[in-house]
Amino acid sequence: DIVMTQSPDSLAVSLGERATINCKSSQSVLHSPNNKNYLAWYQQKPRQPPTVLIYWASTRESGVPDRFSGSGSGTDFTLTISSLQAEDVAVYYCQQYYSTPLTFGGGTKVEIK
Amino acid sequence: EVQLLESGGDSVQPGGSLRLSCAGSGFTFSSYAMSWVRQAPGKGLEWVSLIRSSGGSTYYADSVKGRFTISRDNSKNTLFLQMNSLRVEDTAVYYCAKATGSDYDASFDYWGQGTLVTVSS
Repeated sequence: DIVMTQSPDSLAVSLGERATINCKSSQSVLHSPNNKNYLAWYQQKPRQPPTVLIYWASTRESGVPDRFSGSGSGTDFTLTISSLQAEDVAVYYCQQYYSTPLTFGGGTKVEIK
Repeated sequence: EVQLLESGGDSVQPGGSLRLSCAGSGFTFSSYAMSWVRQAPGKGLEWVSLIRSSGGSTYYADSVKGRFTISRDNSKNTLFLQMNSLRVEDTAVYYCAKATGSDYDASFDYWGQGTLVTVSS
């Protein structure tokens, strides 16, 4: 099984400042034949289901603000919120879809400082 | 507009059974893999099971293998999860999620609102 490890567990960032969340997979999720990383990021606001922000590690979902960006390859990935807004308070999860069982990271809670 | 509507959640005793349903609309249901993801109270997301678009292949987390069965009726745009031998640790909100492709190698682009399953004596 591919284990997804997120860090930090939580972070508090001032409005307008950058937030950075890390995700590390225990095995590479890069599929060499198509050079794609099978990694997605989700946002979950309180009392709501998750919504996808990023897929293929760096492709932003339609309608997602461009302050959200994903980067990384192989086993190390980052979600960056370039300028934190109040509506970004949420828990963020990474997920690999390279192999089954599909696995999620433990989540990172983002709050306003 | 894509919609996923779960139903069937309830409170049951350990060892009991439940059948969850998820009705999909606003997309070609038969073209996409579908999955169940659960979230225990105050905890993170846990993938439970996935079924290919055709229904020909199914996948399970080890924690539910042999107890849960995923299925779909593409003629009725409905996904199911039959849950047997329920345990206290199965208590969670169960989300239905639509994949962006026909198999497991795809992210989830739409999620339902979830249905609560409580297993308690």
